Amino acid sequence: NAGVTQTPKFQVLKTGQSMTLQCAQDMNHNSMYWYRQDPGMGLRLIYYSASEGTTDKGEVPNGYNVSRLNKREFSLRLESAAPSQTSVYFCASRTGGGGKLFFGSGTQLSVL
Amino acid sequence: RKEVEQDPGPFNVPEGATVAFNCTYSNSASQSFFWYRQDCRKEPKLLMSVYSSGNEDGRFTAQLNRASQYISLLIRDSKLSDSATYLCVVNFGNEKLTFGTGTRLTIIP
Repeated sequence: NAGVTQTPKFQVLKTGQSMTLQCAQDMNHNSMYWYRQDPGMGLRLIYYSASEGTTDKGEVPNGYNVSRLNKREFSLRLESAAPSQTSVYFCASRTGGGGKLFFGSGTQLSVL
Repeated sequence: RKEVEQDPGPFNVPEGATVAFNCTYSNSASQSFFWYRQDCRKEPKLLMSVYSSGNEDGRFTAQLNRASQYISLLIRDSKLSDSATYLCVVNFGNEKLTFGTGTRLTIIP
């Protein structure tokens, strides 16, 4: 079972470049999430989608955009990458209504 | 003030000891609560949900205090394998799941 698949695993960008992080889940989950994790900061919510067709800002949405393409896929886009966006990014999903979060394996992004 | 706060530690505890962590949250309307465990450079994994009446899973006990707006995690008879970062998670409603900064625990032989 694939669960939550997140790509790429590693990425190096130059300042100003753009990229999209892809996330897909095969568990028919309603809710999907993007978090970033920095040393000593825990996981901070960037954006989330409570259901197909809806997206909402989390704690740190600035510099990011998201698309809930369909129920399976939730992508995160950096339009103009900045060094402050160097981080580990996690995608997650859950059924909603109390179900546990299932995480992807993370993307290590470095912006030079 | 952060919506979910934890003591970052580190907690260095001898094997076999009991250790407890607290996590405070800012919104009294918060709906559900969880403890996650994260090993170094890995994705977080659910340790246990936290129920209003408190709940236990083996050596782990979770408590919720809505009046004081905190949840706690107690680990008894700690093992070397318990070394990890423990993250509390709060559902503020509408599926917005917010993590605390995490508490780092090291069990010392």
